[in-house]
Amino acid sequence: DAKTTQPNSMESNEEEPVHLPCNHSTISGTDYIHWYRQLPSQGPEYVIHGLTSNVNNRMASLAIAEDRKSSTLILHRATLRDAAVYYCILRPGNTGKLIFGQGTTLQVKP
Amino acid sequence: DTGVSQDPRHKITKRGQNVTFRCDPISEHNRLYWYRQTLGQGPEFLTYFQNEAQLEKSRLLSDRFSAERPKGSFSTLEIQRTEQGDSAMYLCASSTRMQSSYNSPLHFGNGTRLTVT
Repeated sequence: DAKTTQPNSMESNEEEPVHLPCNHSTISGTDYIHWYRQLPSQGPEYVIHGLTSNVNNRMASLAIAEDRKSSTLILHRATLRDAAVYYCILRPGNTGKLIFGQGTTLQVKP
Repeated sequence: DTGVSQDPRHKITKRGQNVTFRCDPISEHNRLYWYRQTLGQGPEFLTYFQNEAQLEKSRLLSDRFSAERPKGSFSTLEIQRTEQGDSAMYLCASSTRMQSSYNSPLHFGNGTRLTVT
């Protein structure tokens, strides 16, 4: 399984944008890039996913590098409720499972 | 859509006892996954079903663990002869099949926390 590398932790101020980076230099052509987040005492929650093009949804944006070896999850205006562990995951196109890494713990300061 | 439901939320058991957890997926989701999560770590894949068929099982899953999904709806995860190292949060997730794509999002429950004393 291809691996991802994320910073252990990041801090942000409330109502400011947050850019969460992820490196995946061994990504293969059929791997999708998925992001999930996990709030304290809850199961992980789907955020967004993409293959090659940048993606936007109501929660966040996903910017994918042209060579696909890195990506960035963008929260446009962080709120206190966005404080969570964010996981960047490569999901092969031919398998159902997700392989989680350590993730990035995001702290949001008021 | 009531979400993925797991029962019980907490379970305390003595070493050597058997435990069984139940997961009710979102209605009509045909894929169901089990994960285990220990403190400070990301969720660890255990196994997954498509309908009633168990399609993949982690090598980390010892013979003491067994999962079933007999009618393609709810699933059970049983741990026999529990050990202290089995203490963890056990998470269930489900997803729907979108044509031949495996990229439909996983919807997770809030887990069953197992403590083995």
